[in-house]
Amino acid sequence: DVKVTQSSRYLVKRTGEKVFLECVQDMDHENMFWYRQDPGLGLRLIYFSYDVKMKEKGDIPEGYSVSREKKERFSLILESASTNQTSMYLCASSLRTSRGGEQFFGPGTRLTVL
Amino acid sequence: SQQGEEDPQALSIQEGENATMNCSYKTSINNLQWYRQNSGRGLVHLILIRSNEREKHSGRLRVTLDTSKKSSSLLITASRAADTASYFCASHSGTYKYIFGTGTRLKVLA
Repeated sequence: DVKVTQSSRYLVKRTGEKVFLECVQDMDHENMFWYRQDPGLGLRLIYFSYDVKMKEKGDIPEGYSVSREKKERFSLILESASTNQTSMYLCASSLRTSRGGEQFFGPGTRLTVL
Repeated sequence: SQQGEEDPQALSIQEGENATMNCSYKTSINNLQWYRQNSGRGLVHLILIRSNEREKHSGRLRVTLDTSKKSSSLLITASRAADTASYFCASHSGTYKYIFGTGTRLKVLA
């Protein structure tokens, strides 16, 4: 079974703090994704990575950066957390395919910025 | 907005009844997928239907796709309390991006 794990289920941070969200997958998937999920808005893509050290901006990259130094690990960084970044953050992975295969999701991190 | 839309936003039914939810998308697609999300958890893949398919079954799930109307529906037959969750469609159009719908919250009453 594919397993995608996220470093924290719940996180509370203060405005201005630097926040790291970690995601690890164990199935040698090339693609990894970071989404945020807000009520009424569904899932919105923040960043995507298709290989080590490779990244693409998604729909809402402002205020975020990412790091992929190893194939299994994809980190999301909030450089200076703000209250409007309070959200559920979901990491996902998938095999590299142009036909868009199944995505495997982690359990999510619910981040609150005070 | 690029987000897909789903309706209804919320659905409440009795155990044993069928549940139908609909999804609309905006661009031509390679495939469309349905996911389930239990409260406060990650999404779990349910079924994938390709653009050249019109209907697909998996257990109690039946998915239809109408590419001329850019729409899909998910039918859950003989629903159970354990089916209570949010359901999302995700369209894929050949790039790395999956466009998710806004979700349908299903509540199955025992």
